[in-house]
Amino acid sequence: DAKTTQPTSMDCAEGRAANLPCNHSTISGNEYVYWYRQIHSQGPQYIIHGLKNNETNEMASLIITEDRKSSTLILPHATLRDTAVYYCIVRVPTSGTYKYIFGTGTRLKVLA
Amino acid sequence: GAGVSQSPSNKVTEKGKDVELRCDPISGHTALYWYRQSLGQGLEFLIYFQGNSAPDKSGLPSDRFSAERTGGSVSTLTIQRTQQEDSAVYLCASTMTGTHNNEQFFGPGTRLTVL
Repeated sequence: DAKTTQPTSMDCAEGRAANLPCNHSTISGNEYVYWYRQIHSQGPQYIIHGLKNNETNEMASLIITEDRKSSTLILPHATLRDTAVYYCIVRVPTSGTYKYIFGTGTRLKVLA
Repeated sequence: GAGVSQSPSNKVTEKGKDVELRCDPISGHTALYWYRQSLGQGLEFLIYFQGNSAPDKSGLPSDRFSAERTGGSVSTLTIQRTQQEDSAVYLCASTMTGTHNNEQFFGPGTRLTVL
């Protein structure tokens, strides 16, 4: 079963910040939150991940609430090429490695 | 360097036939994952391999599905007696475990169509 819930779709104006929410209310203390995106007909691409602190890289920022039950992915200046399905994922430790539990994703459309 | 590769990129088969899908992970990656993505849906975990450990097959939807990973590298996903509901994109990913990131690198997928 998915451990994350996301809105089905969102629109964002080009040049504006895109804020994509994710709920993961059943997350455990050692489970990381990952974000991937999938552009049409391609494999998913890693964006960012975090445990409890906010994170930033060249692609995006990740804001995790203090209780860790939800998070927000922020694309600071969305471009048309950011149109994709964005997956919020919980990484679950298992014997020797991890399982990545994908939700159904948010289809982000960046509008010109 | 080379990323994850999958073959074939597209496969059309008739109902009842067997198919084999291949995944070449990034060299040195110890973990390999198979996912299925039906049209317009998210990724459904199927199976993963970690080093020489027994694979986690908990996501395989039926006993018609099986997978092998030979020599800790290339993996083959086999679907026997294919059904129309098996039509989907099958994605493979690999990771280098033991690192903080454990980023999954995905291949381009194999689009399977069962007629």
